Amino acid sequence: AQSVTQLDSHVSVSEGTPVLLRCNYSSSYSPSLFWYVQHPNKGLQLLLKYTSAATLVKGINGFEAEFKKSETSFHLTKPSAHMSDAAEYFCVVSEGPGTASKLTFGTGTRLQVTL
Amino acid sequence: EPEVTQTPSHQVTQMGQEVILRCVPISNHLYFYWYRQILGQKVEFLVSFYNNEISEKSEIFDDQFSVERPDGSNFTLKIRSTKLEDSAMYFCASSKTGAASQPQHFGDGTRLSIL
Repeated sequence: AQSVTQLDSHVSVSEGTPVLLRCNYSSSYSPSLFWYVQHPNKGLQLLLKYTSAATLVKGINGFEAEFKKSETSFHLTKPSAHMSDAAEYFCVVSEGPGTASKLTFGTGTRLQVTL
Repeated sequence: EPEVTQTPSHQVTQMGQEVILRCVPISNHLYFYWYRQILGQKVEFLVSFYNNEISEKSEIFDDQFSVERPDGSNFTLKIRSTKLEDSAMYFCASSKTGAASQPQHFGDGTRLSIL
Protein backbone atom coordinates (compact mmCIF):
# COMPACT_ATOMS: atom_id res chain seq x y z
CA ALA A 1 0.00 0.00 0.00
CA GLN A 2 1.13 3.52 -0.72
CA SER A 3 1.07 6.46 1.65
CA VAL A 4 2.44 9.97 2.02
CA THR A 5 3.32 11.94 5.13
CA GLN A 6 3.62 15.70 5.01
CA LEU A 7 5.57 16.62 8.07
CA ASP A 8 4.29 20.19 8.49
CA SER A 9 0.66 21.24 8.37
CA HIS A 10 1.62 24.92 8.24
CA VAL A 11 4.78 26.72 7.13
CA SER A 12 5.32 30.46 7.33
CA VAL A 13 8.15 32.25 5.51
CA SER A 14 9.03 35.83 4.68
CA GLU A 15 8.90 36.98 1.10
CA GLY A 16 12.28 36.47 -0.56
CA THR A 17 13.39 33.67 1.78
CA PRO A 18 13.69 29.97 0.88
CA VAL A 19 10.78 27.57 1.07
CA LEU A 20 11.03 23.94 2.24
CA LEU A 21 7.96 21.73 2.37
CA ARG A 22 8.70 18.22 3.58
CA CYS A 23 7.24 14.95 2.33
CA ASN A 24 8.00 11.31 3.05
CA TYR A 25 6.43 8.45 1.13
CA SER A 26 5.85 4.75 1.46
CA SER A 27 5.32 2.56 -1.57
CA SER A 28 5.42 -1.12 -2.45
CA TYR A 29 6.49 -0.40 -6.01
CA SER A 30 8.72 2.14 -7.68
CA PRO A 31 6.59 5.20 -7.07
CA SER A 32 5.63 8.18 -9.14
CA LEU A 33 5.50 11.28 -6.98
CA PHE A 34 3.84 14.60 -7.57
CA TRP A 35 3.37 17.96 -5.91
CA TYR A 36 0.08 19.75 -6.46
CA VAL A 37 -0.86 23.25 -5.34
CA GLN A 38 -4.32 24.51 -4.44
CA HIS A 39 -5.00 28.22 -4.28
CA PRO A 40 -8.13 29.36 -2.43
CA ASN A 41 -11.34 28.36 -4.22
CA LYS A 42 -9.38 26.79 -7.06
CA GLY A 43 -8.63 23.28 -8.20
CA LEU A 44 -5.48 21.24 -7.83
CA GLN A 45 -2.69 22.36 -10.15
CA LEU A 46 0.28 20.14 -10.96
CA LEU A 47 3.57 21.72 -9.83
CA LEU A 48 5.98 18.92 -10.76
CA LYS A 49 6.37 15.18 -11.05
CA TYR A 50 9.01 12.50 -10.45
CA THR A 51 8.78 9.36 -12.55
CA SER A 52 12.16 7.59 -12.13
CA ALA A 53 14.20 9.77 -14.46
CA ALA A 54 16.32 12.56 -12.91
CA THR A 55 16.13 12.68 -9.12
CA LEU A 56 16.07 16.50 -9.08
CA VAL A 57 12.86 17.64 -10.68
CA LYS A 58 12.08 21.19 -11.75
CA GLY A 59 8.52 22.44 -11.84
CA ILE A 60 6.55 25.57 -12.53
CA ASN A 61 6.99 28.90 -10.74
CA GLY A 62 10.56 28.16 -9.65
CA PHE A 63 9.75 25.13 -7.51
CA GLU A 64 11.83 21.98 -7.50
CA ALA A 65 11.92 18.72 -5.59
CA GLU A 66 14.54 16.06 -4.97
CA PHE A 67 13.73 12.37 -4.84
CA LYS A 68 15.86 10.57 -2.23
CA LYS A 69 15.17 6.86 -2.21
CA SER A 70 17.42 6.17 0.79
CA GLU A 71 15.40 8.64 2.87
CA THR A 72 12.05 7.93 1.15
CA SER A 73 11.65 11.68 0.83
CA PHE A 74 10.46 14.09 -1.84
CA HIS A 75 10.81 17.56 -0.35
CA LEU A 76 9.65 20.64 -2.24
CA THR A 77 11.87 23.72 -2.32
CA LYS A 78 11.99 27.19 -3.79
CA PRO A 79 14.95 29.57 -3.39
CA SER A 80 12.89 32.72 -2.89
CA ALA A 81 9.26 32.88 -1.81
CA HIS A 82 6.77 35.22 -3.45
CA MET A 83 3.48 36.42 -2.02
CA SER A 84 1.65 34.58 -4.80
CA ASP A 85 3.07 31.27 -3.50
CA ALA A 86 0.71 31.36 -0.51
CA ALA A 87 -1.48 28.27 -0.98
CA GLU A 88 -2.01 24.67 0.13
CA TYR A 89 0.55 22.18 -1.19
CA PHE A 90 -0.08 18.46 -1.52
CA CYS A 91 2.49 15.70 -1.89
CA VAL A 92 0.97 12.83 -3.86
CA VAL A 93 2.06 9.28 -4.68
CA SER A 94 0.84 7.06 -7.47
CA GLU A 95 1.87 3.50 -8.04
CA GLY A 96 1.17 0.73 -10.49
CA PRO A 97 0.50 -1.76 -11.71
CA GLY A 98 -3.11 -1.13 -12.45
CA THR A 99 -5.44 -0.16 -15.22
CA ALA A 100 -5.95 3.34 -13.87
CA SER A 101 -3.57 4.40 -11.17
CA LYS A 102 -5.14 6.18 -8.24
CA LEU A 103 -3.48 9.02 -6.38
CA THR A 104 -2.87 8.98 -2.64
CA PHE A 105 -2.63 12.46 -1.13
CA GLY A 106 -0.83 13.77 1.90
CA THR A 107 -2.70 15.91 4.39
CA GLY A 108 -1.36 19.11 2.86
CA THR A 109 0.90 21.95 3.98
CA ARG A 110 -0.45 25.45 4.10
CA LEU A 111 2.25 27.93 3.05
CA GLN A 112 1.95 31.44 4.39
CA VAL A 113 4.18 34.16 2.93
CA THR A 114 4.61 37.36 4.92
CA LEU A 115 6.11 40.70 3.97
CA GLU B 1 -4.28 25.08 -22.28
CA PRO B 2 -7.07 22.49 -22.12
CA GLU B 3 -8.63 22.06 -18.70
CA VAL B 4 -11.14 19.97 -16.80
CA THR B 5 -14.39 21.81 -16.11
CA GLN B 6 -16.86 21.01 -13.36
CA THR B 7 -20.41 22.18 -12.80
CA PRO B 8 -21.93 23.44 -10.62
CA SER B 9 -19.28 25.12 -8.51
CA HIS B 10 -21.55 24.89 -5.46
CA GLN B 11 -24.54 22.60 -4.90
CA VAL B 12 -26.86 22.77 -1.89
CA THR B 13 -29.19 19.79 -1.46
CA GLN B 14 -31.56 18.47 1.18
CA MET B 15 -30.57 15.22 2.88
CA GLY B 16 -32.07 12.22 1.09
CA GLN B 17 -32.17 13.92 -2.28
CA GLU B 18 -30.30 12.77 -5.34
CA VAL B 19 -27.51 14.92 -6.72
CA ILE B 20 -25.54 14.76 -9.98
CA LEU B 21 -22.14 16.38 -10.28
CA ARG B 22 -20.91 17.04 -13.78
CA CYS B 23 -17.45 17.11 -15.30
CA VAL B 24 -16.06 17.66 -18.77
CA PRO B 25 -12.62 16.01 -18.93
CA ILE B 26 -9.86 17.10 -21.29
CA SER B 27 -10.92 15.98 -24.75
CA ASN B 28 -8.10 13.53 -25.62
CA HIS B 29 -7.96 11.95 -22.17
CA LEU B 30 -9.23 8.42 -21.71
CA TYR B 31 -9.12 7.90 -17.94
CA PHE B 32 -11.41 9.67 -15.53
CA TYR B 33 -11.50 9.95 -11.76
CA TRP B 34 -13.48 11.36 -8.87
CA TYR B 35 -11.94 12.42 -5.58
CA ARG B 36 -13.44 14.15 -2.58
CA GLN B 37 -12.14 16.34 0.22
CA ILE B 38 -14.16 16.67 3.39
CA LEU B 39 -13.45 19.98 5.12
CA GLY B 40 -10.24 19.73 7.11
CA GLN B 41 -9.36 16.27 5.80
CA LYS B 42 -7.16 14.93 3.02
CA VAL B 43 -8.19 14.44 -0.58
CA GLU B 44 -9.51 10.88 -1.00
CA PHE B 45 -9.86 8.70 -4.09
CA LEU B 46 -13.40 7.62 -4.92
CA VAL B 47 -13.39 5.92 -8.32
CA SER B 48 -11.56 5.55 -11.62
CA PHE B 49 -13.26 4.95 -14.97
CA TYR B 50 -11.99 3.73 -18.33
CA ASN B 51 -13.59 2.35 -21.44
CA ASN B 52 -17.08 2.92 -20.04
CA GLU B 53 -16.57 0.94 -16.90
CA ILE B 54 -15.23 1.36 -13.39
CA SER B 55 -11.56 0.38 -13.09
CA GLU B 56 -11.25 0.72 -9.35
CA LYS B 57 -13.32 2.09 -6.50
CA SER B 58 -12.60 2.85 -2.87
CA GLU B 59 -14.50 1.70 0.20
CA ILE B 60 -16.19 5.11 0.23
CA PHE B 61 -17.78 4.44 -3.15
CA ASP B 62 -20.70 2.35 -1.94
CA ASP B 63 -24.04 1.56 -3.59
CA GLN B 64 -25.34 5.10 -3.25
CA PHE B 65 -22.67 6.33 -5.68
CA SER B 66 -22.56 5.78 -9.42
CA VAL B 67 -20.61 7.19 -12.35
CA GLU B 68 -21.52 7.49 -15.98
CA ARG B 69 -20.21 8.85 -19.23
CA PRO B 70 -23.54 9.61 -20.87
CA ASP B 71 -22.05 11.07 -24.04
CA GLY B 72 -18.66 11.75 -25.59
CA SER B 73 -17.79 14.66 -23.36
CA ASN B 74 -19.45 14.48 -19.93
CA PHE B 75 -18.51 12.37 -16.92
CA THR B 76 -20.94 12.41 -14.02
CA LEU B 77 -21.02 11.37 -10.39
CA LYS B 78 -24.45 10.59 -8.95
CA ILE B 79 -25.23 10.29 -5.26
CA ARG B 80 -28.63 8.62 -4.94
CA SER B 81 -29.73 9.50 -1.42
CA THR B 82 -27.46 12.10 0.08
CA LYS B 83 -26.37 12.06 3.72
CA LEU B 84 -24.98 14.84 5.86
CA GLU B 85 -21.53 13.21 5.71
CA ASP B 86 -21.50 13.53 1.91
CA SER B 87 -20.85 17.25 2.35
CA ALA B 88 -17.43 17.81 0.77
CA MET B 89 -15.56 19.25 -2.17
CA TYR B 90 -15.70 16.82 -5.09
CA PHE B 91 -12.93 16.92 -7.68
CA CYS B 92 -12.99 15.39 -11.13
CA ALA B 93 -9.71 14.51 -12.84
CA SER B 94 -8.62 13.05 -16.14
CA SER B 95 -5.44 11.63 -17.65
CA LYS B 96 -4.27 10.45 -21.07
CA THR B 97 -3.31 7.00 -19.85
CA GLY B 98 -3.75 5.06 -16.63
CA ALA B 99 -0.02 4.72 -15.98
CA ALA B 100 1.20 5.73 -12.54
CA SER B 101 3.61 8.19 -14.14
CA GLN B 102 0.86 10.02 -15.98
CA PRO B 103 -0.26 13.19 -14.19
CA GLN B 104 -3.93 13.65 -13.52
CA HIS B 105 -5.46 17.02 -14.34
CA PHE B 106 -8.07 18.36 -11.94
CA GLY B 107 -11.07 20.61 -12.22
CA ASP B 108 -11.85 23.40 -9.76
CA GLY B 109 -14.25 21.17 -7.84
CA THR B 110 -17.89 21.19 -6.80
CA ARG B 111 -18.63 22.12 -3.22
CA LEU B 112 -21.56 19.93 -2.10
CA SER B 113 -23.47 21.04 0.98
CA ILE B 114 -26.09 18.69 2.41
CA LEU B 115 -28.67 20.28 4.72
